[in-house]
This record gives sequence, C-alpha cells and structure tokens, in this order.
Amino acid sequence: AQSVTQPDIHITVSEGASLELRCNYSYGATPYLFWYVQSPGQGLQLLLKYFSGDTLVQGIKGFEAEFKRSQSSFNLRKPSVHWSDAAEYFCAVGDVVNAGNMLTFGGGTRLMVKP
Amino acid sequence: DADVTQTPRNRITKTGKRIMLECSQTKGHDRMYWYRQDPGLGLRLIYYSFDVKDINKGEISDGYSVSRQAQAKFSLSLESAIPNQTALYFCATSEDQGSRAGELFFGEGSRLTVL
Repeated sequence: AQSVTQPDIHITVSEGASLELRCNYSYGATPYLFWYVQSPGQGLQLLLKYFSGDTLVQGIKGFEAEFKRSQSSFNLRKPSVHWSDAAEYFCAVGDVVNAGNMLTFGGGTRLMVKP
Repeated sequence: DADVTQTPRNRITKTGKRIMLECSQTKGHDRMYWYRQDPGLGLRLIYYSFDVKDINKGEISDGYSVSRQAQAKFSLSLESAIPNQTALYFCATSEDQGSRAGELFFGEGSRLTVL
C-alpha cells in the first residue's frame, strides 16, 4: 500500500529565510507526486506535481520540489519565504495512470512565518 | 463564484442525527471525491465517483454513504452521526486524463461537529 510521511508537523521560519519541507513516500511503482497548500479557511490548491522527466519541478508561488528516487523523497523548497506563505502543506502520492486520481496524502506540515 | 461549492460550510449536530453534505461543481469534471481531514492525519478518502453510475468506497467509508445525483452534484450522508465523525470534509473534482490528470480541485470544506 502506498503511504506518505511528512516528518515535521510544525515549522517556523523567519520571513526572507529559505524553506525546506520534507516528504517521504512508499510506493510500489513509479510514483506520481504532488504538493498541495491549504491556506486558513480554504480548500487545497496544487503547488506542483511530478510525473516524469526532470526531477526538479517548478511550481506556483516560487516553490520547487526535487524527486529523489534513491531516498524516496520529494522535498519542497523555497529560497525566500514571504509572510503569505504561512499555511499547511500536504504531500501526496498517487497512481494517476492505473487507478485514476487516487491520491494518498501525508499528515501535513504547518508553516508559520515570523516577521 | 467558486468552481466547487460545498454546503453547509459549518454544521453542529447531535449524535444519532442524519446529516447530508452537498457538493456541486461547474468545472465539467466527471470525477468527484469526498475526503475527510483530521489534524495530523492529512486527508483520507471516503468515497469517489468516476461518473454518475460509478461510485466506489475509499479508505474510510464505514458510517458514510454517497449519492451522485448528476455529473455536477455529489452528496455525502452520515446516516447516524457519531462524535468521531467530527472533522473537516472536502469535496474535490478532477479530470480523468490529460495534462491536468491527478490535479484535484477542492471546495472550501464543510466543518462538521457532532456533539
């Protein structure tokens, strides 16, 4: 069965500092990987996704993520955090081809940004 | 107007009551989903539907039922609510293929409290 682990429940960074949110997955085949963001009181919005090809993917709002097969990881990064990035971030894995859009989500990481 | 609309946004009810959460979408997607969000557990899939005549159980379907009244409408029912069904519920839609396969479009959520 597929699973996703986000080891950090809460992270606090200063505005302007760099950010890395960790995601580790367990999946039997080639994974399809996603990062979603949930702002307070809102639904989830897709930040970026990896299907194949270049292992460094760019997303919206200046975020990027790197797929490392050897480490079963898909960490999310941003070089300079803005106060508006405070939100909860979810990593997800799925088999888009064989099982439709059946995503398994991690437990989430809540990001707080200090002024 | 939101592409995926959930009603009600907030509901407080008592144990044993029947509750229906409704979802409607204007995105024209065939695929619709109901997820439940609990702190630290991320999102877990309750039911999903790939078209009006195709409804499937997800990871945590016990205690829930669904109805797909039309392509645009997908309702979640709790026949006899219990306190551990207190959670934030999300409806989502997706395309079945193409460049946006795997991308879920979420409603803003329905917060349910069962006393």
